[in-house]
Amino acid sequence: ILNVEQSPQSLHVQEGDSTNFTCSFPSSNFYALHWYRWETAKSPEALFVMTLNGDEKKKGRISATLNTKEGYSYLYIKGSQPEDSATYLCAYISGTYKYIFGTGTRLKVLA
Amino acid sequence: EAGVTQFPSHSVIEKGQTVTLRCDPISGHDNLYWYRRVMGKEIKFLLHFVKESKQDESGMPNNRFLAERTGGTYSTLKVQPAELEDSGVYFCASSLTYNEQFFGPGTRLTVL
Repeated sequence: ILNVEQSPQSLHVQEGDSTNFTCSFPSSNFYALHWYRWETAKSPEALFVMTLNGDEKKKGRISATLNTKEGYSYLYIKGSQPEDSATYLCAYISGTYKYIFGTGTRLKVLA
Repeated sequence: EAGVTQFPSHSVIEKGQTVTLRCDPISGHDNLYWYRRVMGKEIKFLLHFVKESKQDESGMPNNRFLAERTGGTYSTLKVQPAELEDSGVYFCASSLTYNEQFFGPGTRLTVL
């Protein structure tokens, strides 16, 4: 059984704080890792598609790194804003193109 | 370009009733997927269509769930009869290639 784990499960930060979360995934049969931002009642929004070991991607104040050998990815948010409040999901895509999601990290940014 | 749409956005039914969820993928996307997220848990794969054919239905929980994609366009997921544990958010996604899936906003199903 392939497991994808995200931590922490939830966190509250103050506006302006920087934060990061972790996604752990199987290091074997890796094809890609996707990060999504999801607000309830909206479509999960793709943030990053990561495929290569050592990948670092950035989109505004949000960035992500990937280590396929040890099976983890970090998502960083610099200077958190209330509009960053959402659930952040990672999905491991195996060599058979199946998506396996983590449980998500629910972020609440307090003004 | 319109994204993936799902209907209804929210459904509340009683145990034993039937519910049908609909998904309209992005036009031209042959691949269509159904997923489910039970409260507090991970989003789990249910099944994958390529056009009108079921490519993989290994995630379907039991025979109370029936998915169809007639004509290879929109898809429906019927739950009959619904049980309490079927409550959750049902997502649909579509893709052109296997690389990247585009998700709909989900249907929140509550079974009382």
